[in-house]
Amino acid sequence: EVHLVESGGALVQPGGSLRLSCAASGFTFSSFWMHWVRQAPGKGLVWVSRINSDGSDTIYADSVKGRFTISRDNAKNTLYLQMNSLRAEDTAVYYCARDAQSARADYWGQGTLVTVSS
Amino acid sequence: QSALTQPASVSGSPGQSITISCTGASSDVGSYNLVSWYQQYPGKAPDLMIYEGSKRPSGVSNRFSGSKSGNTASLTISGLQAEDEADYYCCSYATSGAWVFGGGTKLTVL
Repeated sequence: EVHLVESGGALVQPGGSLRLSCAASGFTFSSFWMHWVRQAPGKGLVWVSRINSDGSDTIYADSVKGRFTISRDNAKNTLYLQMNSLRAEDTAVYYCARDAQSARADYWGQGTLVTVSS
Repeated sequence: QSALTQPASVSGSPGQSITISCTGASSDVGSYNLVSWYQQYPGKAPDLMIYEGSKRPSGVSNRFSGSKSGNTASLTISGLQAEDEADYYCCSYATSGAWVFGGGTKLTVL
């Protein structure tokens, strides 16, 4: 069974940094592209970033470009999101999701909450 | 990367059909048949309901259907049931390679 488990969410001050992790199991992690999607409290889903299967290609939403870095360790079956220069508007639940091709996310983690506040 | 446009809310009575629209641009919805739809209950992760505009993953009820015309995609739920009450989001692949979501639609079953 496919499982995605995010961790690393916390309360952080504006300007601070945080690294999120997403542990994958139940499938061949190295064969799938992966995404991060976030959801601010009471708001809608917003796509954040995507990485291809071997980590050689990444893409970001304009709102996080230059501040966030997506990466993966296929040996550890883990996806990461390094978040720097955090702002209050980055406060959200962050989900990792598996890309099943054709622009569909067929499995999602339960999410991890990031709160940016002083 | 502008968000796709969805109605904030729709409602219907049990047994009725409802349709949720999702309007994008020629750089996303209009250029690709790569629109997906997600159902989300409060406090839960989203679930995939439709992909490639009209295809249903295994396990999704055939009461859910999708279509597209020009820059607008649509999700139709027929035979509305109380369990369908949730938030629904459309998502499209965009020319830049990014994904773009709609703002979400809250479905209320009266």
